Amino acid sequence: GQNIDQPTEMTATEGAIVQINCTYQTSGFNGLFWYQQHAGEAPTFLSYNVLDGLEEKGRFSSFLSRSKGYSYLLLKELQMKDSASYLCAVMDSNYQLIWGAGTKLIIKP
Amino acid sequence: IAGITQAPTSQILAAGRRMTLRCTQDMRHNAMYWYRQDLGLGLRLIHYSNTAGTTGKGEVPDGYSVSRANTDDFPLTLASAVPSQTSVYFCASSDSTSGSTSEQFFGPGTRLTVL
Repeated sequence: GQNIDQPTEMTATEGAIVQINCTYQTSGFNGLFWYQQHAGEAPTFLSYNVLDGLEEKGRFSSFLSRSKGYSYLLLKELQMKDSASYLCAVMDSNYQLIWGAGTKLIIKP
Repeated sequence: IAGITQAPTSQILAAGRRMTLRCTQDMRHNAMYWYRQDLGLGLRLIHYSNTAGTTGKGEVPDGYSVSRANTDDFPLTLASAVPSQTSVYFCASSDSTSGSTSEQFFGPGTRLTVL
């Protein structure tokens, strides 16, 4: 079966750094996506990785290791507005997205 | 219209009733998707359409039907609603064709309660 695992909830302090991990087992791999979803809102795209390594975009970075079936999203200089759920999704061999349940990130002052 | 719109925003429905959730995009994206999101579960794909005139079944298609008469609209119909269809429904679109990858853009969602 296909499976995406990520922690249910994490807590971090404003100004700090947090790493959200995602492990996956899917039938085929055509890239991994990270989305942000604020409570009561739609998911919005953050990053896409298809090759191994780190992709940096401002305060957010995403890392991929295809051999390990592993990715992480790194958020630096945390702000209160970063309180949200972070969704990991893998595009399988049929080019369909398989979604993790999301990690709820709580930022404390 | 800018992006993707969904209607209604929320709805309370009696079990057994028929309901159509509407989705319209103005980005001329060829691919469109319907997901449901339930607490503690990831987004689950109900139906998708790679291009106007074609549709396909996702992970949880039972009890739902879709049509794609044109590029912009992708309605989702519940023929006879049941309480287990209580969920938040998201429509999404992407500028992708079979064999390519691109991000999906999501509508604001429809919160549906079936009693």
